[in-house]
Amino acid sequence: SQQGEEDPQALSIQEGENATMNCSYKTSINNLQWYRQNSGRGLVHLILIRSNEREKHSGRLRVTLDTSKKSSSLLITASRAADTASYFCAPTSGGSYIPTFGRGTSLIVHP
Amino acid sequence: DVKVTQSSRYLVKRTGEKVFLECVQDMDHENMFWYRQDPGLGLRLIYFSYDVKMKEKGDIPEGYSVSREKKERFSLILESASTNQTSMYLCASSLRANHEQYFGPGTRLTVT
Repeated sequence: SQQGEEDPQALSIQEGENATMNCSYKTSINNLQWYRQNSGRGLVHLILIRSNEREKHSGRLRVTLDTSKKSSSLLITASRAADTASYFCAPTSGGSYIPTFGRGTSLIVHP
Repeated sequence: DVKVTQSSRYLVKRTGEKVFLECVQDMDHENMFWYRQDPGLGLRLIYFSYDVKMKEKGDIPEGYSVSREKKERFSLILESASTNQTSMYLCASSLRANHEQYFGPGTRLTVT
């Protein structure tokens, strides 16, 4: 099954800076989802972007999708210490219909 | 709000024991999933279910079985626990298979 690969594996920034995380995948997708996981907790859904969409916003989050490059990015603007978490992308390929999670990007936002 | 609950946050079992992990969702979701999460490996799908009494193997089903007798409940069973099954186990549910998933808080299982 297809798995998203997040990059970088770890990111450390200061509060107020923007954080950008990237996701690459191998085959055509139906949609791609981003999730956040606080330490020791379950994942929380952030955004779902469909294959025919190029950009989506939710509050301070901006997700882009480039199907020609098989990649997506998650931008968190004006980051806060509370944004410290791991972020996962989960592409859903047309064949399986099940999102497949990558290894995640660990984001640390220093106050 | 969708709520997914898992029977235990922390569990310690001995090698060879039969272990039951329970997951309950309250939003009438058709699909339920069991994952395990290990450092450096991300989330790996063990089993999922798209309807009552229906189950499909995920990427790593070996050593596990599942049961879904009621729509709201999905159980993961370790028939004979082994130390390599020490992990964080996450349950999730979704209305449609490719829709957003709602996760429980996780069960951290230690097998000694």
